[in-house]
Amino acid sequence: KQEVTQIPAALSVPEGENLVLNCSFTDSAIYNLQWFRQDPGKGLTSLLLIQSSQREQTSGRLNASLDKSSGRSTLYIAASQPGDSATYLCAGDNYGQNFVFGPGTRLSVLP
Amino acid sequence: DAGVTQSPTHLIKTRGQQVTLRCSPKSGHDTVSWYQQALGQGPQFIFQYYEEEERQRGNFPDRFSGHQFPNYSSELNVNALLLGDSALYLCASSMFPPSYEQYFGPGTRLTVT
Repeated sequence: KQEVTQIPAALSVPEGENLVLNCSFTDSAIYNLQWFRQDPGKGLTSLLLIQSSQREQTSGRLNASLDKSSGRSTLYIAASQPGDSATYLCAGDNYGQNFVFGPGTRLSVLP
Repeated sequence: DAGVTQSPTHLIKTRGQQVTLRCSPKSGHDTVSWYQQALGQGPQFIFQYYEEEERQRGNFPDRFSGHQFPNYSSELNVNALLLGDSALYLCASSMFPPSYEQYFGPGTRLTVT
């Protein structure tokens, strides 16, 4: 059974800092790994999808990597801005199965 | 492209009542998954529909049921509501098989009193 954890649970940084969010999963047979952003009381916005044959994906100031052998994914946010404040969730699936979510990291970027 | 839509946005029900939530998938998607998200937690998978059939189910009681229509839209029904059913209910759509990028709707906030 796939289980996903995220560290840290919460993070507060000053504007402009580079930061790393961590995601760990128990089953290395993970197929895809997707990172989401969630604003309070809202739905999930997809940030990056790392598919089975890939090791990383980049979009603007965001970079996500996936290391299946160690059961880890990281989301790197460069030059953080107050608008990046949100909860970041990672989710992984085993092929053909539903996505399993971590509990999220709550990020606050202070002006 | 309208993206994934859900209705209603908010709902308040009393214990023991029944509720129906609705979801329309992103254009071109044929698979709909439902998730329950309690406050401060990650979403928990309820079930998934493809070709009008339930394909997968998470660890939720039979009080939770669903349906998918020929136009790929879906409903989530919850019977005999409990206080613990209060949560944000999220719908996600994708192409089948489900190991593709999932797109989420804005959610329905259900409060059971």
